[in-house]
Amino acid sequence: SQQGEEDPQALSIQEGENATMNCSYKTSINNLQWYRQNSGRGLVHLILIRSNEREKHSGRLRVTLDTSKKSSSLLITASRAADTASYFCVPHGQNFVFGPGTRLSVLP
Amino acid sequence: GAVVSQHPSRVICKSGTSVKIECRSLDFQATTMFWYRQFPKQSLMLMATSNEGSKATYEQGVEKDKFLINHASLTLSTLTVTSAHPEDSSFYICSAPGGRGEMGEQYFGPGTRLTVT
Repeated sequence: SQQGEEDPQALSIQEGENATMNCSYKTSINNLQWYRQNSGRGLVHLILIRSNEREKHSGRLRVTLDTSKKSSSLLITASRAADTASYFCVPHGQNFVFGPGTRLSVLP
Repeated sequence: GAVVSQHPSRVICKSGTSVKIECRSLDFQATTMFWYRQFPKQSLMLMATSNEGSKATYEQGVEKDKFLINHASLTLSTLTVTSAHPEDSSFYICSAPGGRGEMGEQYFGPGTRLTVT
């Protein structure tokens, strides 16, 4: 199993701005998933992108995947205060292993 | 979407006692469930993989005799923290895969906050 490494570890933006988080991993994958965790809560699945996909959209979320660079990015457009949370990327593997995450703060 | 529940959501116990945490898949079957531990301001740490009908697989450094896992049915896995100590105080989260074949998305429980006094 492998974990993703999110970057930056912390990000603070104003409401309405876009937030971009990056993820790097080390070995080949079948898919990569992004999750969100609000403080003290469980995790919520945001989006899954398969290795043969380059970009995927879901509402205000846009995920890209570059398997040649072993990297992914998550873009949240028109951010809201409710988007304040920690975001994790999980490269597909036998087990789900989490990296440090990106702590996003959206200021009103 | 699929739902995973955990019970209790919060528990406070005295040092030396044992605590059982339940993880249930409410509307789907899960032959595998995962248990994580999360300390404040840190990421989730995978503790073990719970397998229905067989022994759990523990991650390196996790004491299997201290953290007993039982996957009694296709919808229930339990984690028992035995002889709990203050350093076991943490946020425990379970998850179950809900996809098919290629390990689709995971469904996470809301977590159990354990405080050992």
